[in-house]
Amino acid sequence: NAGVMQNPRHLVRRRGQEARLRCSPMKGHSHVYWYRQLPEEGLKFMVYLQKENIIDESGMPKERFSAEFPKEGPSILRIQQVVRGDSAAYFCASSPGTEEWETQYFGPGTRLLVL
Amino acid sequence: AQSVAQPEDQVNVAEGNPLTVKCTYSVSGNPYLFWYVQYPNRGLQFLLKYITGDNLVKGSYGFEAEFNKSQTSFHLKKPSALVSDSALYFCAVRDINGGSQGNLIFGKGTKLSVKP
Repeated sequence: NAGVMQNPRHLVRRRGQEARLRCSPMKGHSHVYWYRQLPEEGLKFMVYLQKENIIDESGMPKERFSAEFPKEGPSILRIQQVVRGDSAAYFCASSPGTEEWETQYFGPGTRLLVL
Repeated sequence: AQSVAQPEDQVNVAEGNPLTVKCTYSVSGNPYLFWYVQYPNRGLQFLLKYITGDNLVKGSYGFEAEFNKSQTSFHLKKPSALVSDSALYFCAVRDINGGSQGNLIFGKGTKLSVKP
């Protein structure tokens, strides 16, 4: 059973460009979470999605950031007009359900560097 | 607001000695607590979790954690440390008061260094 997959693993963008990060959850998991890890910090929640629905985007910046989880295909975190402060590791996690005790399994992350 | 604190930025242990990585939490209601480990340039790996029941939880790679309700702590422990245990350890609590009750709230992490 393949784990959570993310691509690309590393992404370099110049200021003003767009970044697209992809996440394929574990087989059988329909809940996806995105987290951001800034250097020397813990992970911060960004957004929680189920298939075709955004359930909670309270951690997402109001501008330039968007996320989707279509019926078919991976979840995508999109950052428009990137700035240097967006440089971070972005992690995706998935779980089979949303009960409080369910474990979230994390992907390897995408490390975004904005030049 | 719910929160998790890891009071030590770094813990240094000699190989073969017991290790403890500390975590305290603040929640309203029953806590759902998790420990993850992160190796350099890797994702987070799940170690163990506390839901209910026995206060001593056993997890992967010989790790265990002790839930202490009166001290609001969930310290990670291992009886005999290995050099390969050197990594970044994160404690997390499920945000059951958030809008979606879905996300995890993480501590800042503790860097564990095990010397031969």
